[in-house]
Amino acid sequence: QQQVRQSPQSLTVWEGETAILNCSYEDSTFDYFPWYWQFPRESPALLIAIRPVSNKKEDGRFTIFFNKREKKLSLHITDSQPGDSATYFCAASGDSAGNKLTFGIGTRVLVRP
Amino acid sequence: EAAVTQSPRNKVAVTGGKVTLSCNQTNNHNNMYWYRQDTGHGLRLIHYSYGAGSTEKGDIPDGYKASRPSQENFSLILELATPSQTSVYFCASGDWGANQDTQYFGPGTRLLVL
Repeated sequence: QQQVRQSPQSLTVWEGETAILNCSYEDSTFDYFPWYWQFPRESPALLIAIRPVSNKKEDGRFTIFFNKREKKLSLHITDSQPGDSATYFCAASGDSAGNKLTFGIGTRVLVRP
Repeated sequence: EAAVTQSPRNKVAVTGGKVTLSCNQTNNHNNMYWYRQDTGHGLRLIHYSYGAGSTEKGDIPDGYKASRPSQENFSLILELATPSQTSVYFCASGDWGANQDTQYFGPGTRLLVL
């Protein structure tokens, strides 16, 4: 079964708008949640990550909101720019998973100028 | 310069043939990973390693073997390639611990099995 779910599968926003990407997980022992982004024809790279000790992590225009009770998190991209157009992967890991990540299927974001 | 490199970058193989994908990292990371990426499936873990001499099965290991002869090198082996193994394969390295949970990905290998 899919341990990490993402929605929507694709998202189009206008430049300057806020894009909201959703993620949920099954394993309550997960305690590390990174988001990776991947530009076309490139490899994934870490964008931002959160641990459940906090419910919010901000890095510039990118913010993760985390709800441990509901096992949900979201990535908000404020003031979206065309250069943010990429596929965004939510991932999760925890002690029960060992030193490995479980990735969602990704959300493809297109920012129109 | 790139810390995780993969070879070959592109490969065409025949069904039933043997394929070896190689990965080298200069990050001195203990952990290395092999993923495949397919539309609609995201990144799926095939095999991973905690260090030289170790290999562990990931989520989709069937049809694949792995080898970690040294800290720097990690290979993925398809003994009998099948068309269903046509995909983009990514290698990654990383260490696990406080603030060191980032995985660094190589550029990928595009494999086509005919």
